[in-house]
Amino acid sequence: QVQLVQSGAEVKTPGASVKVSCKASGYTFTGYHMHWVRQAPGQGLEWMGCINPDSGDTKYAQKFQGRVTMTRDTSISTAYMELSRLTSDDSAVYYCANELGTTKKFDYWGQGTLVTVSS
Amino acid sequence: QSALTQPASVSGSPGQSITISCTGTSSDIGAYNYVSWYQQHPGKAPKLMIYEVSNRPSGVSSRFSGSKSGNTASLTISGLQTEDEADYYCSSYTTTYDYVFGTGTKITVL
Repeated sequence: QVQLVQSGAEVKTPGASVKVSCKASGYTFTGYHMHWVRQAPGQGLEWMGCINPDSGDTKYAQKFQGRVTMTRDTSISTAYMELSRLTSDDSAVYYCANELGTTKKFDYWGQGTLVTVSS
Repeated sequence: QSALTQPASVSGSPGQSITISCTGTSSDIGAYNYVSWYQQHPGKAPKLMIYEVSNRPSGVSSRFSGSKSGNTASLTISGLQTEDEADYYCSSYTTTYDYVFGTGTKITVL
């Protein structure tokens, strides 16, 4: 069965960076795009960008350009999302979600990683 | 890219049908049939309920259906059940190769 397992909660100070991991299993990791979506407390979902695990090509939402980096390690079927220059507005739950096919949807989601930015 | 517009809340009694609207623009919903819907229970990850406007993934109840007209998509839940109480989000692919989510709708079963 398809599973996406994310790394644990993080607490960061303003200005720092955070790197969240997402380990995939149950399908061919390099065959399908991986997306990152975040949700601030009590707020809606926000798409951050995606990576093609096969080529490493990325597409970032304009809002996060220059501040987000998505990478992958195909040897361990793991995707990473690093966000730099954190502010309190970046406090949120960060999800990875895969796109199995080409129908522009988010099929399976990780359990989420809570990132808290506080001085 | 602005969020798609959804009503903040919709309520209904068990057994009733409810519909959630999701309004975008000609650059997202109106451009493609790549509209999807997600259900999110409190403290849980979202779950895919509808994709490509009206397709249901395996395992999703047939009580959930989707449609689209112009720049507005809709999700209908028929035979409302208590377990349907959750937040629902629409999403669309856009002409700038991005994705945009709706503002979210809280469904309350009275």
